[in-house]
Amino acid sequence: GQQLNQSPQSMFIQEGEDVSMNCTSSSIFNTWLWYKQDPGEGPVLLIALYKAGELTSNGRLTAQFGITRKDSFLNISASIPSDVGIYFCAPSDNYGQNFVFGPGTRLSVLP
Amino acid sequence: DAGVIQSPRHEVTEMGQEVTLRCKPISGHNSLFWYRQTMMRGLELLIYFNNNVPIDDSGMPEDRFSAKMPNASFSTLKIQPSEPRDSAVYFCASSPGSGAVIETQYFGPGTRLLVL
Repeated sequence: GQQLNQSPQSMFIQEGEDVSMNCTSSSIFNTWLWYKQDPGEGPVLLIALYKAGELTSNGRLTAQFGITRKDSFLNISASIPSDVGIYFCAPSDNYGQNFVFGPGTRLSVLP
Repeated sequence: DAGVIQSPRHEVTEMGQEVTLRCKPISGHNSLFWYRQTMMRGLELLIYFNNNVPIDDSGMPEDRFSAKMPNASFSTLKIQPSEPRDSAVYFCASSPGSGAVIETQYFGPGTRLLVL
C-alpha cells in the first residue's frame, strides 16, 4: 500500500520564525491539499494544489506541488501564536477516489 | 450556513454499550465522510458516502461499526458493542463534490468518545 510521510513530526519555533514542512509519498498523486487542525477542532483547508510544479500562496502560507508528484511542501513565514496546530497533507488521485491524510506535523510557536 | 453539525460533542460510555454518533452535513453537499482520530493512528477515514450511497467502507474497523445515511441531511455512525479501544475523536466531514472528484472537505467539530 501507499506510504505517506510528513516531516518533521513536530516542531517548536520562536514567534516570527519561518516554518518549512513537507509530505512525501511512495505513490504519485494529482492533487495535494493542506489542512490545519486547531486544538479541539476539525481540520480546515489551507491550500489546494492541482498541478505538478505549482506554487500557491495564501497570505503567509506558500505550498508547492513537487515535480515528481510524490511530494509537497508547505512554508509559513513570520509565524505567529495562532499558527499552532497540526498540519496535514491530503493528496488524492485524478478522480479523487483515492485520498488519504498524512500523519501530520505538530507545530508549536513559542512567544 | 452553520457548517457541519455533529452530536453529541462528548460521549462517555461503558464497554459493551451501544454508541450512536450523528452528523448533519452542509446543505447541498453531496459527499459525507466519517473519520476517526487517535494519537496512535492519526486521522483515519472510516467510510464515505456520495449521494447517500456508501462508496468506500474499507476503513470501517470491524462489524461492530456501521454507518447509515438515510437522507441527504443526516448520517449516523454506530458502534455496537463499544470497546475501550474505540475511544477517539470521531469527525464527520462533507464535500460539495459531485461524486467523481472529491473536493474540499469541511469538517465538523468532532465527537470525543471515551469508552470505559
